[in-house]
Amino acid sequence: DSGVTQTPKHLITATGQRVTLRCSPRSGDLSVYWYQQSLDQGLQFLIQYYNGEERAKGNILERFSAQQFPDLHSELNLSSLELGDSALYFCASSLTWGRDYGYTFGSGTRLTVV
Amino acid sequence: GENVEQHPSTLSVQEGDSAVIKCTYSDSASNYFPWYKQELGKRPQLIIDIRSNVGEKKDQRIAVTLNKTAKHFSLHITETQPEDSAVYFCAAGSTGNQFYFGTGTSLTVIP
Repeated sequence: DSGVTQTPKHLITATGQRVTLRCSPRSGDLSVYWYQQSLDQGLQFLIQYYNGEERAKGNILERFSAQQFPDLHSELNLSSLELGDSALYFCASSLTWGRDYGYTFGSGTRLTVV
Repeated sequence: GENVEQHPSTLSVQEGDSAVIKCTYSDSASNYFPWYKQELGKRPQLIIDIRSNVGEKKDQRIAVTLNKTAKHFSLHITETQPEDSAVYFCAAGSTGNQFYFGTGTSLTVIP
């Protein structure tokens, strides 16, 4: 167990629907990152939050949004889902914003859009 | 922003041989370079990292080298074992910014 908790582990939903993925960072970590990993693809950075504030944005679609709550857990909201949104979504956390040591990843949420 | 390229995309080696994976980066401001191992269906796990003030770092059978001038860094795995089979990702980042990942190398160690 990495200490980063993601729920649910699996999600199957229909096109056009909206889903929410949840991430609880490792205890003490203030920074949360969301990544998308499609089949046979690398890790695409979506968005970063630090202590409740958005810090960096990557290739995140307008249909996607995220937030980090006062208890530091984060949610990634995906709306108007398309088949191409099917992917493994990882959350990672680190102690501080931009510190130079590696993230700890959660086990991911596998989203299947049918 | 940062652009990280990784080669090769697939690599097969005989058990006991060495494996080398190479990455290049574009942003000279990057100063931290982690490597992650991802087994099928599992989360990426940090296996080794190197900072820009260091040219080489070793941890048992794994070593990483960094050439700041050429903007490239490499992962070396010696005496490979079947359990080393996985996808390996390099990444580059800097203080104040997120990490950018390479596209991954699928390593197969043949017993």
